[in-house]
Amino acid sequence: GEDVEQSLFLSVREGDSSVINCTYTDSSSTYLYWYKQEPGAGLQLLTYIFSNMDMKQDQRLTVLLNKKDKHLSLRIADTQTGDSAIYFCAEAGNTGGFKTIFGAGTRLFVKA
Amino acid sequence: GAGVSQSPSNKVTEKGKDVELRCDPISGHTALYWYRQSLGQGLEFLIYFQGNSAPDKSGLPSDRFSAERTGGSVSTLTIQRTQQEDSAVYLCASSLNNRGPDTQYFGPGTRLTVL
Repeated sequence: GEDVEQSLFLSVREGDSSVINCTYTDSSSTYLYWYKQEPGAGLQLLTYIFSNMDMKQDQRLTVLLNKKDKHLSLRIADTQTGDSAIYFCAEAGNTGGFKTIFGAGTRLFVKA
Repeated sequence: GAGVSQSPSNKVTEKGKDVELRCDPISGHTALYWYRQSLGQGLEFLIYFQGNSAPDKSGLPSDRFSAERTGGSVSTLTIQRTQQEDSAVYLCASSLNNRGPDTQYFGPGTRLTVL
């Protein structure tokens, strides 16, 4: 079945850029998402990208999509301690009635 | 409020007991998801309801787990004969399930502890 994979941990220093990577298997994916989960809270949508786009920028966030390799990344510029959270990659496509499938999440640690 | 609500927020139970977890989705959202998030683990899909279609139960880990959604709104996740490995945070989410970008709105979760 469809799968979304991410590395589990990433540690960066405050002020550096963070890059969180994700791979997926569903070639019919039409939308790819990044969600953020802060401690003790549910997930919240950060940003999304349509599959016919290569890049989307939103303030400190840059999403890159390589559809050929089924690779998605989230870059956070000037990472702050408040960015410490778990980041989930997700995809939705024609399979399963547009059911969204999530990766396991990458825990980002930001060191002061 | 207008968000997804879940109850109870915390549940402590003894091994072997049954538990029911409730989710109130955002009004008008046709899609509803249940997930499980274990300590140190990622997000595990459990079940997906979409309108009046048969639910996608492919993520339920065993036949001790079941869920229903009454009237296309409130959903209940039931775990029978709970085991210690069932201890986790159970998250519910709802969405409009648009064929465009479909944001899922998550509830705060129910933290289940099985002693």
